[in-house]
Amino acid sequence: ETGVTQTPRHLVMGMTNKKSLKCEQHLGHNAMYWYKQSAKKPLELMFVYNFKEQTENNSVPSRFSPECPNSSHLFLHLHTLQPEDSALYLCASSPERGGGQETQYFGPGTRLLVL
Amino acid sequence: RKEVEQDPGPFNVPEGATVAFNCTYSNSASQSFFWYRQDCRKEPKLLMSVYSSGNEDGRFTAQLNRASQYISLLIRDSKLSDSATYLCVVRGSNYKLTFGKGTLLTVNP
Repeated sequence: ETGVTQTPRHLVMGMTNKKSLKCEQHLGHNAMYWYKQSAKKPLELMFVYNFKEQTENNSVPSRFSPECPNSSHLFLHLHTLQPEDSALYLCASSPERGGGQETQYFGPGTRLLVL
Repeated sequence: RKEVEQDPGPFNVPEGATVAFNCTYSNSASQSFFWYRQDCRKEPKLLMSVYSSGNEDGRFTAQLNRASQYISLLIRDSKLSDSATYLCVVRGSNYKLTFGKGTLLTVNP
């Protein structure tokens, strides 16, 4: 199943590094999402893009910077992260935000470890 | 009250058993309800939507009680492949999906 792909699948970075996570969806969807999943916590929505426009930022620290150049691609730029940012970062897409078709399809995630 | 609260689990059941998961939600304006399943170290995948009239998909039955703000998932004749974490998911009027922490199910041979 390759509807939503994410790279890299695993990432180890130091607190002073800058890295980017990439997400690509091949489903023709118009909405894309970033979620964070930490151990023993529910999935937390971070950002929402609908038709390339950011429509939601759930009080995410500025060390996380999203970018959506087109409806098929979504990036999450990371800089000066903290160890508590270590988590599984999941990308998802859906046909349209608020269009009534809210089934979201998730990518495999990037498992991030910040040292 | 947490936005979406699930049985803490874990559930360990033998093959062939029937198991039920419960979930409650706090926002009475919630509009849509889902069960997702997440295998170990994998992404969540939609298992089924939950409708007010209740719905069934093979061995899986989902129920919604809006008055009690309660959702359930029943799995009959459990298979080893049903072992996973089951996530209760609620969509609010702002279209945001809110996930429960999940309930871990292990089906044993």
